[in-house]
Amino acid sequence: QQQVKQSPQSLIVQKGGISIINCAYENTAFDYFPWYQQFPGKGPALLIAIRPDVSEKKEGRFTISFNKSAKQFSLHIMDSQPGDSATYFCAALDRGSTLGRLYFGRGTQLTVWP
Amino acid sequence: DAGVTQSPTHLIKTRGQQVTLRCSPISGHKSVSWYQQVLGQGPQFIFQYYEKEERGRGNFPDRFSARQFPNYSSELNVNALLLGDSALYLCASRTEQGRHRAEAFFGQGTRLTVV
Repeated sequence: QQQVKQSPQSLIVQKGGISIINCAYENTAFDYFPWYQQFPGKGPALLIAIRPDVSEKKEGRFTISFNKSAKQFSLHIMDSQPGDSATYFCAALDRGSTLGRLYFGRGTQLTVWP
Repeated sequence: DAGVTQSPTHLIKTRGQQVTLRCSPISGHKSVSWYQQVLGQGPQFIFQYYEKEERGRGNFPDRFSARQFPNYSSELNVNALLLGDSALYLCASRTEQGRHRAEAFFGQGTRLTVV
């Protein structure tokens, strides 16, 4: 069973536009939600993360919106650039568990056209 | 500062062979996790080690094993390789301390191809 569901599977955005990727989870024990960016042939790079005690976190052009009651969170990339073209993964973690296991979504392949 | 380093970067093995992948965590990080990423999918958890002890494993067969050394580096071993083991194997390290204890940093991965 997929613990974290991610959509869309692929996304095409024009340069300067807003890219939005959505994720949903069921396990209410999750209390840490990172986003990773992965370029072909590379490992995932931590982009931004949020804890459920806040509804939004912004770092530069990247913003996470978090809706605890709906158990959903999303990544917004403002002023999208061709260099943002990559695969994005949302993930979830139960910080109270000693296991430290990240549950990943299936990924969203973002293409930003110049 | 060096990030998470993995070796080798690429590997081709024949079915039935055994493989060992290596990982050095970020300096000061005591936790190492291994993930398998099949093409087009998100990483799947294989193992986590903390202070040289296995904390848990994901839904992988006993052909997969790992260990962590006193310097916190780690090895992942896979025996009796199958074609389906072809994937990118990722190592992640975490500090497990302080306000940044949840942040996991990944290496570039080892691309394993089984033929």
